[in-house]
Amino acid sequence: AQSVSQHNHHVILSEAASLELGCNYSYGGTVNLFWYVQYPGQHLQLLLKYFSGDPLVKGIKGFEAEFIKSKFSFNLRKPSVQWSDTAEYFCAVKTRGNNRLAFGKGNQVVVIP
Amino acid sequence: DVKVTQSSRYLVKRTGEKVFLECVQDMDHENMFWYRQDPGLGLRLIYFSYDVKMKEKGDIPEGYSVSREKKERFSLILESASTNQTSMYLCASSFGSGRIYEQFFGPGTRLTVL
Repeated sequence: AQSVSQHNHHVILSEAASLELGCNYSYGGTVNLFWYVQYPGQHLQLLLKYFSGDPLVKGIKGFEAEFIKSKFSFNLRKPSVQWSDTAEYFCAVKTRGNNRLAFGKGNQVVVIP
Repeated sequence: DVKVTQSSRYLVKRTGEKVFLECVQDMDHENMFWYRQDPGLGLRLIYFSYDVKMKEKGDIPEGYSVSREKKERFSLILESASTNQTSMYLCASSFGSGRIYEQFFGPGTRLTVL
């Protein structure tokens, strides 16, 4: 079964700092990749997704992610965070022929004003 | 706008009780999923269903069962609740194969088993 690794479970940073969250997966075939976000007290929502084409994907709220096939990675970035980016972020992978997602353990991000 | 609703936001039950968690989606999605979310463990798939009356075990099915009698409704059942089933339960739905894939999530049910 595929696995998804997210490191640095807790991240604390100041407003205007840059954020990068790593995501690595263990599957050699075709994948679809996702980042979900869960703001405090809210349900999970899609931040961005990659299916094919340009490996640099732009999502909502200024987030972007880059798919690097050779590194089995899909890292999430934001150049300048805001207090409202405080949330838990989950990376997820869907493999071809599979109807389910494999999720990482999440990154709890706290942005200090 | 896709909507996935769950019957309760908070639920408190006693050990040994039978517990039903209900989920309804309004987008005619083929797939429906039940996860539990625990701090530091992320989302773990309990069961999923790709069609009415069809179900497949996820990664942690022990102690749970599911029912899907109608396309829009997917129920999670704890036959005899135990304290280690205290958790946040999330329901999700998606289209099946052949379409752009995305899972849409409900607000979650926080279950406490005393």
